[in-house]
Amino acid sequence: AQKVTQAQTEISVVEKEDVTLDCVYETRDTTYYLFWYKQPPSGELVFLIRRNSFDEQNEISGRYSWNFQKSTSSFNFTITASQVVDSAVYFCALRRFNKFYFGSGTKLNVKP
Amino acid sequence: EAGVVQSPRYKIIEKKQPVAFWCNPISGHNTLYWYLQNLGQGPELLIRYENEEAVDDSQLPKDRFSAERLKGVDSTLKIQPAELGDSAVYLCASSGGQGAYEQYFGPGTRLTVT
Repeated sequence: AQKVTQAQTEISVVEKEDVTLDCVYETRDTTYYLFWYKQPPSGELVFLIRRNSFDEQNEISGRYSWNFQKSTSSFNFTITASQVVDSAVYFCALRRFNKFYFGSGTKLNVKP
Repeated sequence: EAGVVQSPRYKIIEKKQPVAFWCNPISGHNTLYWYLQNLGQGPELLIRYENEEAVDDSQLPKDRFSAERLKGVDSTLKIQPAELGDSAVYLCASSGGQGAYEQYFGPGTRLTVT
């Protein structure tokens, strides 16, 4: 069975702090894809990143970075120098074939 | 390129009334998903279409929910009759199928059943 766990329900930081959102997944498959989505208060989920199970290279995009470790089944997301606009709910998801399994989300509050 | 379109954005109905939601996916996307999102939770799949075929509807409460995607493009999700517990956000998403791995979401329809 596939499962995604985001243990942090809510995180509050002050602007310019770094913050890491944790994601742990379970699957027996060797081929799978992992995703992060952002859901701002407006409600629409926005795709941020995709990683496949064969590529463990960390990725950086501006202030965002992702750490994928198969040994611990984790796909963590770090925001450097957080900004108020980063306030949102962030979802981690696992794709197996054409089906997606979402975590319960982490609400990030960035205060000025 | 236009994104996933959903309507209406908000709907308030009384319990036992019917309601329908409409979704138009991104052009060329053959996979369409309907999700239910309760407050504070992640999206939960209701049904997935590959073209006009419903390939995964195991989580769809078929006694009151129905969906269709007749021409393999836009789709309608219906609830009849609605119950108080159906109050949630209904999300539609699409993806481009083989070789296209991420899905793109519409803005959702927030349903309130009173």
